[in-house]
Amino acid sequence: DAGITQSPRHKVTETGTPVTLRCHQTENHRYMYWYRQDPGHGLRLIHYSYGVKDTDKGEVSDGYSVSRSKTEDFLLTLESATSSQTSVYFCAISGLGGNNEQFFGPGTRLTVL
Amino acid sequence: QKEVEQNSGPLSVPEGAIASLNCTYSDRGSQSFFWYRQYSGKSPELIMSIYSNGDKEDGRFTAQLNKASQYVSLLIRDSQPSDSATYLCAVSLRGYQKVTFGIGTKLQVIP
Repeated sequence: DAGITQSPRHKVTETGTPVTLRCHQTENHRYMYWYRQDPGHGLRLIHYSYGVKDTDKGEVSDGYSVSRSKTEDFLLTLESATSSQTSVYFCAISGLGGNNEQFFGPGTRLTVL
Repeated sequence: QKEVEQNSGPLSVPEGAIASLNCTYSDRGSQSFFWYRQYSGKSPELIMSIYSNGDKEDGRFTAQLNKASQYVSLLIRDSQPSDSATYLCAVSLRGYQKVTFGIGTKLQVIP
């Protein structure tokens, strides 16, 4: 168990509302990632962080922002949710094996109506 | 061309057989290669990592890497129904902390 939790685990929201997903780790690892997983697309990187207040965009970052004010927490915010953001969101951490091995949280299923 | 390619399947094998899962990648600078298993409704779980050419065995699992041909494969011996899952291939470039995933191959082990 890599010590990663995500909250909430399930959320249903309406188009246009802001949504924040939280990832929390107890491993004190430097790197944290947010992915979305959709049928036919696999896992796609949204944003990642390489330290406190250090973040960068992934391949599908439009419509998402992130923040990392503490080593253990990485927040993903949908400023104004759209139906195209309905997905399963996974947080991951790396640094355990020293070779880019990533370990995933349990996921958040988000539905935007 | 996708960076990491996998056949989405499903790949069906009888119980006790060898399941062979394949993956190709496009960037010759790729340095680290991973196989994840994902059960339906669950998160991906790392099952194998391989970094150099050749075979790496762990129990019933063998990962094979051929950098010249740019492919990596996963063999599952004595397949069990509990091996039924989607297997994700993932690749990382030298010096980068980002990992690129394939879409995954769904494996069905038939009792």
